[in-house]
Amino acid sequence: DSGVTQTPKHLITATGQRVTLRCSPRSGDLSVYWYQQSLDQGLQFLIHYYNGEERAKGNILERFSAQQFPDLHSELNLSSLELGDSALYFCASSHGGTDTQYFGPGTRLTVL
Amino acid sequence: QQPVQSPQAVILREGEDAVINCSSSKALYSVHWYRQKHGEAPVFLMILLKGGEQKGHEKISASFNEKKQQSSLYLTASQLSYSGTYFCGTRAPTAGNMLTFGGGTRLMVKP
Repeated sequence: DSGVTQTPKHLITATGQRVTLRCSPRSGDLSVYWYQQSLDQGLQFLIHYYNGEERAKGNILERFSAQQFPDLHSELNLSSLELGDSALYFCASSHGGTDTQYFGPGTRLTVL
Repeated sequence: QQPVQSPQAVILREGEDAVINCSSSKALYSVHWYRQKHGEAPVFLMILLKGGEQKGHEKISASFNEKKQQSSLYLTASQLSYSGTYFCGTRAPTAGNMLTFGGGTRLMVKP
């Protein structure tokens, strides 16, 4: 158990819908990262927040957005969902902005 | 640009050794190794820092050749529990210090 929590564990929804994924970092960690992993693929970096501020963006679609709240938990919002958005979404946290990242258990999103 | 891992897949018998390589075209600050079981979260194994450090974790060790921007993960006397996909993540100053992951190496250890 890495100490990073993610909810929900599974999410099934329809095309065109909007969902919110939630992540709570390890105690004391200020950074939260979001990754997308499609079936049997690598980890694609989406976005990084540090202490409430956006620090870096990767290949994140305009339909996706994220934020980190004052209590340091983070939410990833996915809208106008498409079949291709079906994937595992992982959140990771680290103490600083360049430290080791510890991954949460992930949210499996299925878009039907 | 993501680092390149080789081989893409390897099958071992219990007790055999394996080496997984990770190469980058960029100068690196560090290389991070993770193992992921199917459908589970990647689990951190070790970090290699600029300076060519070699670190170990039980029977798993790794090296980082700073000049070649390459890292190798060494698994000795493999166990069934070593099965999974191994990812290297690289951090480079020219990439905004993001962690960029390779495509992964699938390792299967058979009895």
